[in-house]
Amino acid sequence: AQRVTQPEKLLSVFKGAPVELKCNYSYSGSPELFWYVQYSRQRLQLLLRHISRESIKGFTADLNKGETSFHLKKPFAQEEDSAMYYCALPGEGGGNKLTFGTGTQLKVEL
Amino acid sequence: DADVTQTPRNRITKTGKRIMLECSQTKGHDRMYWYRQDPGLGLRLIYYSFDVKDINKGEISDGYSVSRQAQAKFSLSLESAIPNQTALYFCATSDRLAGGRMGSYNEQFFGPGTRLTVL
Repeated sequence: AQRVTQPEKLLSVFKGAPVELKCNYSYSGSPELFWYVQYSRQRLQLLLRHISRESIKGFTADLNKGETSFHLKKPFAQEEDSAMYYCALPGEGGGNKLTFGTGTQLKVEL
Repeated sequence: DADVTQTPRNRITKTGKRIMLECSQTKGHDRMYWYRQDPGLGLRLIYYSFDVKDINKGEISDGYSVSRQAQAKFSLSLESAIPNQTALYFCATSDRLAGGRMGSYNEQFFGPGTRLTVL
C-alpha cells in the first residue's frame, strides 16, 4: 500500500541554517511525489513536484528511489519559510488522489 | 486562492446534530475532494468526485456522506455528528488527468478550510 512517512512533527532551525525535511515513501511502481506547504493563515498549496525538477523559493527535493526518499532541502532558512510541510504521493487506485504524510512543522528562529 | 470557497468557516455543534459543509469552485475543475486534517495525522481523504455522477469513498468515509450538486459544488454531510469528528475540513479541486502518463498528476487547489467542533 502507498504510504508516506514524515518522521519529524516539528523541526526548529535558526535563520540562515540549512533545512532538510524528511520524507520516505512506499509505493509500487514509479511514484510521483509532491511537497505541499501551508503557511500561517493561508491555504495548503503545492510547493514543488519531483517531475518538474524545479527549485521553488530556494527549496529542492530529489527523488532517491534506492532509499525511497524525497527529502525537501534548502541551504539557508528564512523566517518566511516557517510553515507546515506535507509530503504526498498518488493514492491507491489513481484518479489524481493524494496520500499525504503527517506533516512537519518548520519553525525558523531568528 | 479565492476560486475555492468553503462555508461555513467555523462551526460549533452538538453531538447528534446533522451538519453540512459546503464547497464551491469557479476553476471549472471536474474533480473535487474532501479531506480532514487532524494534528499528528495529516490530511486524510474522506470522499472524492470525478464528476457529478461519479462519487467515491476515500480512506475515512464512515460517518460522512457527500453530494455533488453541480460541477462547481460538493457538499459534505455529517448525519449525526460525534466529538471525534472535530477537525479541520478541507475541500480541494483538480483538473482532469492528462491521460495517466508520468507527470500527469494535476495540482490540487485547496479551500480555506472549515473548523468544526462537535461538543
